[in-house]
Amino acid sequence: GAGVSQSPRYKVTKRGQDVALRCDPISGHVSLYWYRQALGQGPEFLTYFNYEAQQDKSGLPNDRFSAERPEGSISTLTIQRTEQRDSAMYRCASSPQEAERTFFGQGTRLTVV
Amino acid sequence: AQSVTQLDSQVPVFEEAPVELRCNYSSSVSVYLFWYVQYPNQGLQLLLKYLSGSTLVKGINGFEAEFNKSQTSFHLRKPSVHISDTAEYFCAVSLSGTYKYIFGTGTRLKVLA
Repeated sequence: GAGVSQSPRYKVTKRGQDVALRCDPISGHVSLYWYRQALGQGPEFLTYFNYEAQQDKSGLPNDRFSAERPEGSISTLTIQRTEQRDSAMYRCASSPQEAERTFFGQGTRLTVV
Repeated sequence: AQSVTQLDSQVPVFEEAPVELRCNYSSSVSVYLFWYVQYPNQGLQLLLKYLSGSTLVKGINGFEAEFNKSQTSFHLRKPSVHISDTAEYFCAVSLSGTYKYIFGTGTRLKVLA
């Protein structure tokens, strides 16, 4: 596609529910990244994929968070048993190769009530 | 560990006036430096980057930044701002040749008529 596409744009969920956030990177981009941005803060790194391989998940805050990219294209970030502190903007980004110019999506704003 | 400090959370400036958005970083190793802009309801967009070479970097929309290694700064400047420059600006670093960005907390630029 023309840019990095994320869905949904907005998600409101009740505490304790699971949510899945989708990222469709720019076609042909090998590298995919997830960041989380809390209100008033800059984005914080969560995880990184090279093709379908999850190369770095050091930023995932706890084991309720997981991500996959099974075919090396679309990625899903899943948060289980959501908590209010999970409320944030979740941003996906992609690049042609690792450490090349990174393109960000518009983000998914998650609100846990 | 690396860190990025953007001391100014908000900067109001009149149209056609010059502006400087400050960014300082901390790192014991070589880093790449970036400025991203986020317009309302849009994703992060790369303004400019410093990888190596000339310390004065020119970006899109008339912005430029100067890398100062001794002061560990990478301030963003524009000689004459427009209303359309109203946005949030993020400074970021990455370890040279790596994919993981560390962002500052952002500076909201408000251009006044």
